[in-house]
Amino acid sequence: DQQVKQNSPSLSVQEGRISILNCDYTNSMFDYFLWYKKYPAEGPTFLISISSIKDKNEDGRFTVFLNKSAKHLSLHIVPSQPGDSAVYFCAASEGNAGNMLTFGGGTRLMVKP
Amino acid sequence: DTGVSQDPRHKITKRGQNVTFRCDPISEHNRLYWYRQTLGQGPEFLTYFQNEAQLEKSRLLSDRFSAERPKGSFSTLEIQRTEQGDSAMYLCASSLRTAWDEQFFGPGTRLTVL
Repeated sequence: DQQVKQNSPSLSVQEGRISILNCDYTNSMFDYFLWYKKYPAEGPTFLISISSIKDKNEDGRFTVFLNKSAKHLSLHIVPSQPGDSAVYFCAASEGNAGNMLTFGGGTRLMVKP
Repeated sequence: DTGVSQDPRHKITKRGQNVTFRCDPISEHNRLYWYRQTLGQGPEFLTYFQNEAQLEKSRLLSDRFSAERPKGSFSTLEIQRTEQGDSAMYLCASSLRTAWDEQFFGPGTRLTVL
């Protein structure tokens, strides 16, 4: 049973436009959420995180929004750049789980020049 | 470069053979994690260490799997009597100390069981 789901396996956007990647979770014990980016032949790289006490966290072009009532989070990339083309994973953890991460299946983002 | 390193990067083996992977975490990182990623899926947690102590194991870690971190530095993951279903990318990650410290991932070891 998947506790973290990314329902869009792929997303294509034009350079300079906004990319919105979505993630849903079912475990109400999750209280820390992260986004990782993965290029081919490399391990996932941490991008941005958000604690359940917040509903928004921003870092440069990347913003993560958390809607706890809907058990939904999203990653916004503005403006999108060709170098952002990668697979993006949403992950979640419970506060006392030693930071054991539960990942979604990933969304492949393609940013076209 | 002082990132997480894994060895080997690729391993091809025949069903029934034993394989061992090594992970070297970032220096001074106390926590070390193993994940497995199959094609089209996200990484799945296997186990993690706080220094040399193995604190959590997933139900995915069957009796054929064993992980060690004998001196609290590098870690090994051994799979005995490999099966075709073991074919996957095995990822190692490390983090500094607390439950909120970012995990840094290595490039992974891709295992193919024929």
